[in-house]
Amino acid sequence: DAGVIQSPRHEVTEMGQEVTLRCKPISGHNSLFWYRQTMMRGLELLIYFNNNVPIDDSGMPEDRFSAKMPNASFSTLKIQPSEPRDSAVYFCASADSFTGELFFGEGSRLTVL
Amino acid sequence: AQKVTQAQTEISVVEKEDVTLDCVYETRDTTYYLFWYKQPPSGELVFLIRRNSFDEQNEISGRYSWNFQKSTSSFNFTITASQVVDSAVYFCALGLGVGYQKVTFGIGTKLQVIP
Repeated sequence: DAGVIQSPRHEVTEMGQEVTLRCKPISGHNSLFWYRQTMMRGLELLIYFNNNVPIDDSGMPEDRFSAKMPNASFSTLKIQPSEPRDSAVYFCASADSFTGELFFGEGSRLTVL
Repeated sequence: AQKVTQAQTEISVVEKEDVTLDCVYETRDTTYYLFWYKQPPSGELVFLIRRNSFDEQNEISGRYSWNFQKSTSSFNFTITASQVVDSAVYFCALGLGVGYQKVTFGIGTKLQVIP
C-alpha cells in the first residue's frame, strides 16, 4: 500500500487566502484524523471521522476551519480565511478502528505570511 | 477527559547510556490503548508500539522496552544502549474506546543522543 498521502507537502500563502489540504487514507481504513503540530502546542487533534462521518470536531480551533470526507478515500481540511497563527504542520492519519494503530502521512507544512 | 503528560521536554544522553522516557495518562475509561510514536528530524511519525488497557505485560523489542503500570497510570519507554539514530522526539498517546478511537498525544520528549 502507498500509505497515507497528503498534498501539498508545502504551502506558502498570504493572510486572508483560502487554504485546502488534502488527504488520501490507506485503503480499508475506516477512521481518519487531522492533527496540527506546532512547537508550542505539540500534536493537537483537530477532527476525526469514522466511516466518513465526523465523530469529534471539538479540536477545530474556530469557524475558519472546516473538514470534509466525501468518501472513504478522500478528505480535505480547509482554512478560510487563513491567518499567520495557522502556520503549522498538518498531519493526516488513518486507522483501522479495531486495531487502533494510526498511520500518518508525511504532513503538509503551511506558512501563512 | 483524557490527558497525556510527558514531563520531560528534553533529554540528552551520551551514546550507549540507557534512557527512560516517562508517560503518565489520565482517563476514566476502562478500555483504552496506549501508544508510542517516534518523530525523527525528518518529520515523519513512526509507530513504535500499541498496548491495550487489559494487557499489563511489559514488552521488549530489541533495545526498546515498555513498562505499563495501571496502578500509577504510567507507560514508560526505555531505550537501552542508546545510539545517535535514536535522537528524535518521542510521543506517548492515549486512544479511547473501541471502534471510535480518539487519540490524544502528549507534548513529546526530545531525545538527543550525543556521540
